Amino acid sequence: EVQLVESGGGLVQPGGSLRLSCAASGFTFTSYWMIWVRQAPGKGLEWVANMNQAGSEKYYVDSVKGRFTISRDNAKNSLYLQMNSLRAEDTAVYFCATDYYGYFQHWGQGTLVTVSS
Amino acid sequence: EIVLTQSPGTLSLSPGERATLSCRASQSVSRSYLAWYQQKPGQAPRLLIYGASSRATGIPDRFSGSGSGTDFTLTISRLEPEDFAVYYCQQYSSLPRTFGQGTKVEIK
Repeated sequence: EVQLVESGGGLVQPGGSLRLSCAASGFTFTSYWMIWVRQAPGKGLEWVANMNQAGSEKYYVDSVKGRFTISRDNAKNSLYLQMNSLRAEDTAVYFCATDYYGYFQHWGQGTLVTVSS
Repeated sequence: EIVLTQSPGTLSLSPGERATLSCRASQSVSRSYLAWYQQKPGQAPRLLIYGASSRATGIPDRFSGSGSGTDFTLTISRLEPEDFAVYYCQQYSSLPRTFGQGTKVEIK
């Protein structure tokens, strides 16, 4: 059974940093692109970043470029999102998911990030 | 960036009725690289349709997708109680990947 489990969310002050993790199991992690998608409270879905199997290709939505970094550790079957210079508008539930040719088959349950003073 | 506009914003229907959801793109979605997701409160989205019309694994055949170019449709032939949820379209023909704003299907 495919499982994606996010962790690392929490309350952080504006300008602060947070690192999200996504632990993957039940599938061949090294075969998949992976993504982060976020959802602000009561709002729709927003693609944040994705990366390829080897970690050599990474893409970001404009609003997080230069502040967020997506990475992965294939030996640990884990995906990460390092978030720096956080803003109130980054407050959201962050989901990791498998990226299969551009659509998203399997999703984690999400982790909530709240940016507030 | 391809902007996806979903309509209507809310659809009020009764169980057993047919639901028709629309997703319109600001520019052509090449190769029908369009997906649909269902999301219930407090849950992650679930993939329903990819490639505009292919059902994902385990999705009942009452869900169907159609369309090409800039106009796409998700149809639920007969609404079951568990189908009341929010539905999102998503394009993957170009970066950034973008989602529509969602259509809520609620019980009338």
